[in-house]
Amino acid sequence: DAKTTQPPSMDCAEGRAANLPCNHSTISGNEYVYWYRQIHSQGPQYIIHGLKNNETNEMASLIITEDRKSSTLILPHATLRDTAVYYCIVRAPGNDDYKLSFGAGTTVTVRA
Amino acid sequence: EAEVAQSPRYKITEKSQAVAFWCDPISGHATLYWYRQILGQGPELLVQFQDESVVDDSQLPKDRFSAERLKGVDSTLKIQPAELGDSAMYLCASKKGRYTEAFFGQGTRLTVV
Repeated sequence: DAKTTQPPSMDCAEGRAANLPCNHSTISGNEYVYWYRQIHSQGPQYIIHGLKNNETNEMASLIITEDRKSSTLILPHATLRDTAVYYCIVRAPGNDDYKLSFGAGTTVTVRA
Repeated sequence: EAEVAQSPRYKITEKSQAVAFWCDPISGHATLYWYRQILGQGPELLVQFQDESVVDDSQLPKDRFSAERLKGVDSTLKIQPAELGDSAMYLCASKKGRYTEAFFGQGTRLTVV
């Protein structure tokens, strides 16, 4: 699986959009971009994934650049409960070698 | 909403003692994973089961760690003897099928003293 690069931390104001960047310059053609988050003392939680088109669900939006070398997770209206570590991962779908390389992620702190 | 259940939530054990963690995956989920997460780092896969069979245990320190899923449902991860460096969060995850996402439990926080 391709490696990803994320900033170690970022702050966001409550009610504002949080834009979390992720670089994955070595992504291959069949690899998807996945985002998970981990709230303190809980297990990781799946957020969203995409291949090349932008994706949106009830939690977030995922914007993938045309060359697929980077992406941005958008939390449209951040709340204090969105404070968590956010992990960007790239992997091929249905890959049963489920060695998700979580890395250190981005610690997002939402401030009132 | 179905959840992956883990117990205990917290465990303190002395060095050289045996310790065990239990995981009950979401009903119908054939694949089960155990991860270890050291404070400040991302989770690291220890072992993966497909039903009752081990699919991957290449990262499991087999001299002291063991995992089983005898009936293909719940699973136990054991450490014997525990070492100070085993202090970490132990996470269990399960997924239903090949093209589905995994769901994680709340984890067991182990402290070895």
